[in-house]
This record gives sequence, C-alpha cells and structure tokens, in this order.
Amino acid sequence: SQQGEEDPQALSIQEGENATMNCSYKTSINNLQWYRQNSGRGLVHLILIRSNEREKHSGRLRVTLDTSKKSSSLLITASRAADTASYFCALPTRGGSEKLVFGKGTKLTVNP
Amino acid sequence: DTGVSQNPRHKITKRGQNVTFRCDPISEHNRLYWYRQTLGQGPEFLTYFQNEAQLEKSRLLSDRFSAERPKGSFSTLEIQRTEQGDSAMYLCASSWNLGIGRGYTFGSGTRLTVV
Repeated sequence: SQQGEEDPQALSIQEGENATMNCSYKTSINNLQWYRQNSGRGLVHLILIRSNEREKHSGRLRVTLDTSKKSSSLLITASRAADTASYFCALPTRGGSEKLVFGKGTKLTVNP
Repeated sequence: DTGVSQNPRHKITKRGQNVTFRCDPISEHNRLYWYRQTLGQGPEFLTYFQNEAQLEKSRLLSDRFSAERPKGSFSTLEIQRTEQGDSAMYLCASSWNLGIGRGYTFGSGTRLTVV
C-alpha cells in the first residue's frame, strides 16, 4: 500500500522544545509531502521533499528523507503553542491521478 | 485568488436526506480531488477530476455519492439518502504541476453531521 504511517500517534511537549515526527512507507516514491491540520480545519501544505533529496528546511521546519529505510522525519524547532495541530505525511501515487495517500497523522500538543 | 473555497462549512442533516457540497478550486488548477476524513483518521481519497472529466473513483464512493465538475470549474459532491456513517469532514483540493511533482491546496472542508 502507498500509505505512510506516522509515529508517534500523539506527542506532548513544552513550548520551546523541539518536536520530531516520523513517517515510514513501503513503496517507492517520487516525493513525500508533509501537511498540518489545525483542529477541525483543512490541511496546509508544509513541505515537499523529492526522492533525490535528503534534507530540506523551511523556517523552523526540517524534513529528512531516507529512501533506503523508506522513512522521513519532520522536526519542528523551538515549538510554539500555535504549532499545536495534527501533522500528516502524504505520498502521491505514481502516474494517473497522483492523488495523495495520507497516514493517520501525529497529534502534536505544545503546552505554553 | 484566495485559495480553495468550500461551502457550506457545516451541514447538519437528518438521516435519509440528500446533501450537496460545493468546492471552488484555484482557477489555474486543472485537477480537483475530493477526500473524506473521519475523526482521528487521515483524509481518504474519494474521487478526482482533470478538467471536467471524472477520471478516478474510490470504492468508498458508493452509488449514493455523485460528483460533478461542469465546465472544469467548481465541483459539487452530492450524497443521497444520507446515513449516520456519512458523518465526516469532506475536503476538496486542487493541484498544480510543480515540475518535480504536484502541489496541492486544500479547502477548509465541509463538516457533515447526520442525525
């Protein structure tokens, strides 16, 4: 299956700490994407990493990709209460619709 | 363009009633996707349009569900004879070609509650 699996399912940290979420998958990919979803809202695209990239940064976000281990991680540094959300990795299917296949997500709570 | 717009934001309906949701994608995006998300789960793919053509449907899309995208612009998702199991967030996304893959913009969703 194309689906990614996030780990942990839930994470609770204090403001200022770093948060790390992981995504494992089983099939080969062209790219992997991370999304954030605030409670009851739509998804916001955070970052896309291509299969030939190993690391990518965007502000306080750092994404790594290890295609040999079929895993990716999302690191949020110096977390803020506003980072409280669910985070999903999404894998686009190859060819055709290129629809995104999502895992169940990691629910991050940042305590002030 | 302010992004992908979905209406209504919330819908409460009685079991057995029909409901229709609307999605207005970003105008330059030719691909449009519908997803369903239940509590504690990730979004699940329902169907996909390229311009006005519906090219893929998930087996989740029972015969009570129908989607259209006339003229390749906005899209509607209709659920007939709603059941309590249809209660979920329905998300629409449009996408564009990044050259290195596709980027996706999601709407804020329509939350359906069937009572």
